[in-house]
Amino acid sequence: GAGVSQSPRYKVAKRGQDVALRCDPISGHVSLFWYQQALGQGPEFLTYFQNEAQLDKSGLPSDRFFAERPEGSVSTLKIQRTQQEDSAVYLCASSPITRSSQYFGPGTRLTVT
Amino acid sequence: AQSVTQPDIHITVSEGASLELRCNYSYGATPYLFWYVQSPGQGLQLLLKYFSGDTLVQGIKGFEAEFKRSQSSFNLRKPSVHWSDAAEYFCAVAVSKTSYDKVIFGPGTSLSVIP
Repeated sequence: GAGVSQSPRYKVAKRGQDVALRCDPISGHVSLFWYQQALGQGPEFLTYFQNEAQLDKSGLPSDRFFAERPEGSVSTLKIQRTQQEDSAVYLCASSPITRSSQYFGPGTRLTVT
Repeated sequence: AQSVTQPDIHITVSEGASLELRCNYSYGATPYLFWYVQSPGQGLQLLLKYFSGDTLVQGIKGFEAEFKRSQSSFNLRKPSVHWSDAAEYFCAVAVSKTSYDKVIFGPGTSLSVIP
């Protein structure tokens, strides 16, 4: 079956631009996670959705980062006024129930110039 | 605070040789532990997980890991490495929150395989 998909796969933004990153989780998966992975590092938690509810946004690095999942399926991570330090791979993961293994998408590589 | 350490940043092994990647975690409760593999430009693929029960866990691609509570370790092993195993390996621990598990990843170990 279809896995987690993310788009775009690559995004180049000029500093100060807004970007939107999309995640399509596996159909029916309740939980959805966003992670930020800097070069040479492990993924770091950004935010968690259970269906449409955002239950944890403690990992969002600043108020320029915003995520939504309005219908409990597709999610969008938005970054406003991008900065160079936002350059990273943004990973999305979903899981079928609230406590189980996560399935990861291929990620979106964001480069801010 | 909960954390995961992977002492080896980079390991090089010869094809056919055995492999052990080290992982130590810090977590007060019974941990849920994972190993993921990431090939260049790819997302993370789950190799294996430990939730409870037998402390020796078998995974995909011939990998296994052993949970040792006394050492707070969850080392990954493979008896004979293949060239296709070259990738980045991440150990992770799930921290229980009220209604979900928050996964904390280690910094990763990069594996190179010499033909």
